[in-house]
Amino acid sequence: SQTIHQWPATLVQPVGSPLSLECTVEGTSNPNLYWYRQAAGRGLQLLFYSIGIGQISSEVPQNLSASRPQDRQFILSSKKLLLSDSGFYLCAWSVRGGQTQYFGPGTRLLVL
Amino acid sequence: QKEVEQNSGPLSVPEGAIASLNCTYSDRGSQSFFWYRQYSGKSPELIMSIYSNGDKEDGRFTAQLNKASQYVSLLIRDSQPSDSATYLCAVENYTGRRALTFGSGTRLQVQP
Repeated sequence: SQTIHQWPATLVQPVGSPLSLECTVEGTSNPNLYWYRQAAGRGLQLLFYSIGIGQISSEVPQNLSASRPQDRQFILSSKKLLLSDSGFYLCAWSVRGGQTQYFGPGTRLLVL
Repeated sequence: QKEVEQNSGPLSVPEGAIASLNCTYSDRGSQSFFWYRQYSGKSPELIMSIYSNGDKEDGRFTAQLNKASQYVSLLIRDSQPSDSATYLCAVENYTGRRALTFGSGTRLQVQP
């Protein structure tokens, strides 16, 4: 069966500090991978999606970036965090060409 | 105009009643529709998907789709306090990418 992992689970960072969140998927190959952000009490905002290694599409221009160094690894990064980057970051996967997305446990980020 | 709209609630129903959750979408070309449940502080989990007009039943859950009216709903029969959560409607938009657009969710409260 497929499993998706995210870490860390929670993170408190000062404004201006860098960020690296990691997501890995087990039990599948060539998945589509997605990063979403959910602000408190709000819906999910798609940040990035990837259909393969090194293939990243950005949905929202901002100070975040994503990379996919391996087939089942997806990383979300920032060089300098802003207060507005606080939120619940969710990684999701789907089979290649499929529509159904499955979410990881999420990382709760608080920028102070 | 929001692409996927849901009433934020809270929708309060007594235990054992039928809960009806509604969602409208703006992209007439949408083909795939999903309902996710999100408990407070947790990540979304897939309840069910629906692709064709009509009803689709899975246990206590029934999804209903009407593409002509651009409307999708979720019925929960015999509601239980454990069903208390936020329910997210998601729609796949065929804009050249395989990604979902989420509504902001409806909070359901089932009163014991």
